[in-house]
Amino acid sequence: KQEVTQIPAALSVPEGENLVLNCSFTDSAIYNLQWFRQDPGKGLTSLLLIQSSQREQTSGRLNASLDKSSGRSTLYIAASQPGDSATYLCAVRPPKAAGNKLTFGGGTRVLVKP
Amino acid sequence: NAGVTQTPKFRVLKTGQSMTLLCAQDMNHEYMYWYRQDPGMGLRLIHYSVGEGTTAKGEVPDGYNVSRLKKQNFLLGLESAAPSQTSVYFCASSYSFGHDGYTFGSGTRLTVV
Repeated sequence: KQEVTQIPAALSVPEGENLVLNCSFTDSAIYNLQWFRQDPGKGLTSLLLIQSSQREQTSGRLNASLDKSSGRSTLYIAASQPGDSATYLCAVRPPKAAGNKLTFGGGTRVLVKP
Repeated sequence: NAGVTQTPKFRVLKTGQSMTLLCAQDMNHEYMYWYRQDPGMGLRLIHYSVGEGTTAKGEVPDGYNVSRLKKQNFLLGLESAAPSQTSVYFCASSYSFGHDGYTFGSGTRLTVV
């Protein structure tokens, strides 16, 4: 059974510092991995999607890497801003033959202090 | 492009009452899902559907029923609400398999008293 872990559960950084968020998964046989952002009381907003054949994806200040062999993904947020304060979730999708259900990590709650 | 729309956004029910949560997507996605999110428990899959007229159980299906009569709609029903069903419910949709990920709705906050 796939298990996804995000450590730390919470992180506080001063504005301007780079953020590094970790996601680890136990089964390397994945179809893709998706990073989401969730603001308090809101839904999940997709940030980046990395296919199993890719090593990284970039969007603006965000960069996500994927190392399937070690079961790890890292989300980098450059030059953090107070508006980046939110909970960040990663989720892995299994290969076609194994079904279609995402497995989520518990999330990392980020606070960027002005 | 509305994406995934959930109604209602908030609801308070008394124990034993019934209700239906509606999820609608306009992206022609084949797959749809219902999750619940609880503090300390993360997101858990309740039921899902891989196409019109089909449904399947997820991790925590007890106390819920679903229907997918139209491709764009996925309904979640609570026949007899219990306080343990107090939660935030999220609907999501996706293509069967492709290069797109999941799209989530904004959630329904349900309180059962």
